[in-house]
Amino acid sequence: EVQLVESGGGLVQPGGSLRLSCLASGFTFSSYGMNWVRQAPGLGLEWVSHISGSGSTKYYADSVKGRFTIARDNAENSLYLQMKYLRAEDTAVYYCARGGPRIDYWGQGTLVTVSS
Amino acid sequence: EIVMTQSPATLSVSPGERATLSCRASQSVNSNLAWYQQKPGQAPRLLIYGASTRATGIPARFSGSGSGTEFTLTISSLQSEDLAVYYCQQYNNWPPFTFGGGTKVEIK
Repeated sequence: EVQLVESGGGLVQPGGSLRLSCLASGFTFSSYGMNWVRQAPGLGLEWVSHISGSGSTKYYADSVKGRFTIARDNAENSLYLQMKYLRAEDTAVYYCARGGPRIDYWGQGTLVTVSS
Repeated sequence: EIVMTQSPATLSVSPGERATLSCRASQSVNSNLAWYQQKPGQAPRLLIYGASTRATGIPARFSGSGSGTEFTLTISSLQSEDLAVYYCQQYNNWPPFTFGGGTKVEIK
């Protein structure tokens, strides 16, 4: 059974940093691209970032480019999102999601709140 | 960037009735379109990919159709557990992956 479990969310002040993690199980992690997708409170889904299975290719949404960094550790079956210079508009539930091009499995999400 | 537009924003349907949800792309995405269901307080779940292929474990009452720029998700006989927001997403031209704004299905 595919499982994706996010962690690392919390309350952070504007301008601060946070690192999210996603632990994957139930599939060959290195064979799949992975994504972060976020959802602001009461709003829709916004793709944030993608990393290829090998980690050699990374893409970012314009809204986070230069502030967020995606990474993975295939030996640890883990996906990461380093977030810096956080803004109030980054407040959202962040989902780890498998795939690329087709996204097929999602974790339960971790809430990031950016507020003073 | 391809813009995905869903309609209606809210759909109220009686149990057992058919629900028809629409998704339009700003340019052709061929058949590279997925539908997701998000129930209250839960993560999205893949329903349909390739515009018309049901994902593993998805009931047959869910069906998808369309190609190019016009797509439809049909729930043939609405059940109470189908209360959710439904999103379409294109994966033809990425990055970025783009989602529609969602259609909320209410039980009448």
